[in-house]
Amino acid sequence: SYVLTQPPSVSVAPGQTARITCGGNNIGSKSVHWYQQKPGQAPVLVVYDDSDRPSGIPERFSGSNSGNTATLTISRVEAGDEADYYCQVWDSSSDHPGNVVFGGGTKLTVL
Amino acid sequence: QVQLQESGPGLVKPSETLSLTCTVSGGSISSYYWSWIRQPPGKGLEWIGYIYYSGSTNYNPSLKSRVTISVDTSKNQFSLKLSSVTAADTAVYYCARGEMATDYYYYYMDVWGKGTTVTVSS
Repeated sequence: SYVLTQPPSVSVAPGQTARITCGGNNIGSKSVHWYQQKPGQAPVLVVYDDSDRPSGIPERFSGSNSGNTATLTISRVEAGDEADYYCQVWDSSSDHPGNVVFGGGTKLTVL
Repeated sequence: QVQLQESGPGLVKPSETLSLTCTVSGGSISSYYWSWIRQPPGKGLEWIGYIYYSGSTNYNPSLKSRVTISVDTSKNQFSLKLSSVTAADTAVYYCARGEMATDYYYYYMDVWGKGTTVTVSS
């Protein structure tokens, strides 16, 4: 089965740029989606299809995907961005019709 | 705007069947793929499976033998049954609306319920 690897934690000072990576075999050939989850809350979609933003998500959130790494970039980080972030792909490479795969999650700490 | 609400027992005994329902309000259940996802305490997200409004299903292979997802379009609801539960099934269970690419190239979940906690214990 397909595996997505995320760093357990990333720390950044307010106003700086945070980059959260998601590694997978030839992930650049897949479409990657990102979710933000604050403590005690449900996940929220912040980026879909590598780099598109749902309505209501600030432009500070952006995504890229190439080779074996996808990246969620958060510019001008704010205290309110502190959360867990999960990447997700649709893995249809096996005999199974398709499977949702999540990364293990990255805790973003705003210093 | 579309809202989802999970409902069901918060406590289930080992070896019994966990049953949850997700009610969709503010929109129709038609034309989307509806998922169940769970999150054990302190851990990450695990997709359980989805159902298309027409009734076709797709389950996580790791849970497939124990999972049944059904839909009731007349009530704008879909449901989850997970049989033979153990303590490892203790988790927050979320329902979510999913968008499937027309060529099945991608699938993502854009609207989530608030989640409901299910504890498996005698």
